[in-house]
Amino acid sequence: QKEVEQDPGPLSVPEGAIVSLNCTYSNSAFQYFMWYRQYSRKGPELLMYTYSSGNKEDGRFTAQVDKSSKYISLFIRDSQPSDSATYLCAMRPGGNEKLTFGTGTRLTIIP
Amino acid sequence: DTAVSQTPKYLVTQMGNDKSIKCEQNLGHDTMYWYKQDSKKFLKIMFSYNNKELIINETVPNRFSPKSPDKAHLNLHINSLELGDSAVYFCASSQVVVRTGGPHYGYTFGSGTRLTVV
Repeated sequence: QKEVEQDPGPLSVPEGAIVSLNCTYSNSAFQYFMWYRQYSRKGPELLMYTYSSGNKEDGRFTAQVDKSSKYISLFIRDSQPSDSATYLCAMRPGGNEKLTFGTGTRLTIIP
Repeated sequence: DTAVSQTPKYLVTQMGNDKSIKCEQNLGHDTMYWYKQDSKKFLKIMFSYNNKELIINETVPNRFSPKSPDKAHLNLHINSLELGDSAVYFCASSQVVVRTGGPHYGYTFGSGTRLTVV
C-alpha cells in the first residue's frame, strides 16, 4: 500500500462546475500538505499549501486537511478550461524536506 | 528568466549507454532534488542535496550518481542505461519560507527531462 493514495481519474467536468479532488494517507507524521498542478510536458507548480488540519482558501481554490481522518481535499469553484491539468497532492513530516506525492488526478474541464 | 532549468529536455539513447542530465537554479535556494516521474505520473524522490551535501538518497540503483559542484547546480549521471530507466526526470529546488503556521519549503520544479531508453 502506498503512503499516499489518490484517485488517478481521469475526471471530466463541464465548465463552471465545482471540482473535488482527494487524497488519503497512512503516515500520521505528515504535517505539511500541498497541492501541485502539472500541465502537460511541464513541471509541477505549487497551488496550495496547508499546515496541519484546517481550511485554506485562495481565489477559486480551497484546500482542506482532516488529520483525524488522514484525508485532504482540493476544491475548485467555477472551473475553467485552463484548470485542465494533472493535480498532485504532496505531503511531508515536520522538519523533513522530503515530499511524498500522490499519483495525481488528471482533470479535464469541458467548455 | 527560467528559475530551474534542465538540459536536455529530451534524451533518446540506447540500452547500455551512459548519459548525464544537468540542472541549474538561479533562485539562490540551498536545497536541490532529483525526482523521477513514471508513465503513470507517480513522482518519487531520488536524491536531495543541501549546500552541495547529499542529504537524501532513496533506494536508487548505484548506476545513478548525482553531483553538485555548487549549490546552484545538481547534475545526474546514469551509467549502463536500462529500459526501465525511461521516465521524466525533474530537478527541483527549495528554500525555507517562514510563514504563520510553520516553515514552508517552497519547491520550484524544472520542466523535466524526458528520457527514453531503446
